[in-house]
Amino acid sequence: QQQVKQSPQSLIVQKGGISIINCAYENTAFDYFPWYQQFPGKGPALLIAIRPDVSEKKEGRFTISFNKSAKQFSLHIMDSQPGDSATYFCAASTIQGAQKLVFGQGTRLTINP
Amino acid sequence: DAGVIQSPRHEVTEMGQEVTLRCKPISGHNSLFWYRQTMMRGLELLIYFNNNVPIDDSGMPEDRFSAKMPNASFSTLKIQPSEPRDSAVYFCASSFSPPTGDGYTFGSGTRLTVV
Repeated sequence: QQQVKQSPQSLIVQKGGISIINCAYENTAFDYFPWYQQFPGKGPALLIAIRPDVSEKKEGRFTISFNKSAKQFSLHIMDSQPGDSATYFCAASTIQGAQKLVFGQGTRLTINP
Repeated sequence: DAGVIQSPRHEVTEMGQEVTLRCKPISGHNSLFWYRQTMMRGLELLIYFNNNVPIDDSGMPEDRFSAKMPNASFSTLKIQPSEPRDSAVYFCASSFSPPTGDGYTFGSGTRLTVV
């Protein structure tokens, strides 16, 4: 019940295209859903996050879509650029306490020029 | 702030040796997390501290692993004795608690290789 399932494992998108990564969770107590971006040799860095009181959050070219009834959320990267090539992790936690995050398995995104 | 600082960046050691990984969290953050990253298992939470107190160590794989946080600005993760299957990248992260929405800040990790 603590798992977060992420797909696909890897994704190749042409420059300018839309990259879509999906995640699903089971624990209905989760109420905080961040996405992290990781470049080789670096630690993950917070990209964007959403709470379940909204169905969508947009920051620049990055959008999180959230479906509470289906217990799914997704990351959309519009106008994908080669610099977006990285590994993306979805995560989930409860907002209470120390915000213990459970991470998905990661998606390796490659944007071809 | 220089962010979360981990040392060393790389560590190569022989099986059976003791390994100590170090972490300096962001000043003011009161939660600290140790994660292990491997290709097979992804990011696994090993242990986390709140106000220097260990809250959940259920992710620590074996008694060979131990972690301490003697003060708000320093934490260690020790493996004794080390084994080849411990080879991974170990990340330290810190955050505010209660959370402010800024999420975790991760260090750059320590790549451990046990031969």
